[in-house]
Amino acid sequence: EVQLVQSGPEVKKPGESLKISCKASGYSFTTFWIGWVRQVPGKGLEWMGIIYPGDSDARYNPYFQGQVTISVDRSLSTAYLQWNSLRASDTGIYYCARRQVLSGYDPFDYWGQGALVTVSS
Amino acid sequence: DIQMTQSPSSLSASVGDRITITCRASQTISAYLNWYQQKPGKAPKLLIYAASSLQSGVPSRFSGSGSGTDFTLTISSLQPEDFATYYCQQSYSLYTFGQGTKLEIK
Repeated sequence: EVQLVQSGPEVKKPGESLKISCKASGYSFTTFWIGWVRQVPGKGLEWMGIIYPGDSDARYNPYFQGQVTISVDRSLSTAYLQWNSLRASDTGIYYCARRQVLSGYDPFDYWGQGALVTVSS
Repeated sequence: DIQMTQSPSSLSASVGDRITITCRASQTISAYLNWYQQKPGKAPKLLIYAASSLQSGVPSRFSGSGSGTDFTLTISSLQPEDFATYYCQQSYSLYTFGQGTKLEIK
């Protein structure tokens, strides 16, 4: 069974750093891209970026480029989303999702449960 | 960047109704259009990919159509569990989501 299990909720102060995780199981981790999606509470979905675990090739939404870093640890089958200096506006729910490869149309077919990040002084 | 615009933003309907949600892309995206359903407190769920292909396990009352810039999601006979928020997503050039359509019980 394919599963993406994300790390737990975080409460941070502005300026602090943070790295959240997404552990994959039930499939070959290195052969499916994994994306990250933000949802500000009560708002819509925003695609942040995507990474190919096979070679760590990462692509970013220009809006989030330079604000976050996406990485993987192949030995742990885990993807990460990292901030070096959080802002209050980073408050939101962050989802990881696997990109389907069968169709060629690249939807996200499996999602993590989401991780709530709260940034407040 | 490709922009995705959904309409309506919200919709009230009754169990058994047929409803349609529209998604328009700011440029042609062929059939690179996906639809997701999200319920409160839950992750999005893939319903339709490639504009009209039903994801495995999704009931057949859901259907999608369109190509180029204009797309629709149709639910043929609303069930109580269908009241949720629906998002379109283009996957032609990286990804962009529409702003969502909240489907509420009338």
